[in-house]
Amino acid sequence: EPEVTQTPSHQVTQMGQEVILRCVPISNHLYFYWYRQILGQKVEFLVSFYNNEISEKSEIFDDQFSVERPDGSNFTLKIRSTKLEDSAMYFCASREDSSDFNEQFFGPGTRLTVL
Amino acid sequence: KQEVTQIPAALSVPEGENLVLNCSFTDSAIYNLQWFRQDPGKGLTSLLLIQSSQREQTSGRLNASLDKSSGRSTLYIAASQPGDSATYLCAVNGSGRRALTFGSGTRLQVQP
Repeated sequence: EPEVTQTPSHQVTQMGQEVILRCVPISNHLYFYWYRQILGQKVEFLVSFYNNEISEKSEIFDDQFSVERPDGSNFTLKIRSTKLEDSAMYFCASREDSSDFNEQFFGPGTRLTVL
Repeated sequence: KQEVTQIPAALSVPEGENLVLNCSFTDSAIYNLQWFRQDPGKGLTSLLLIQSSQREQTSGRLNASLDKSSGRSTLYIAASQPGDSATYLCAVNGSGRRALTFGSGTRLQVQP
């Protein structure tokens, strides 16, 4: 069964460094998301991406974040200058098309630890 | 702004019990609602998706209901097993923000 994959599973970085989290959505899906979950807190929406541009972003998604679909398969989240409070589990999700009735399929997550 | 609340926050039951987890949301203009399971430190496993036009969905021992007008959903787990121990998350896909809004979850422990 097709699934969303994410790499790495765990990333440790120093404060101020740049990180890139990678996701491979399900191959025929067109709508992509990033969510994050700080330890002990709710899963929060960061950004959605459709047709090679950001569709919507939350107030969390400030200038230190960016997303890109560099090729036909990968979807990346870049954090430019990491802060301690960026430590969280980051989930990628994809959806088949732009219909809001379709299910979002989640990847296993990348645990980011900022020291 | 959509808010999702889950009650109870934690629940401990003996094996074999039937149980109900509750989810409420403030804006009834939703496209669908999903229930997820999350094991400690792990990802999200989708359990059930209910479309806004549906009243319930069933998968094995799980049954989820949706009352959109009152902003409520329940997840019913029949004959609970220790392997059901996990955090259960409810998430709604609303018309305001075209992304999922999650609740804080119910942490379930099933005692053998």
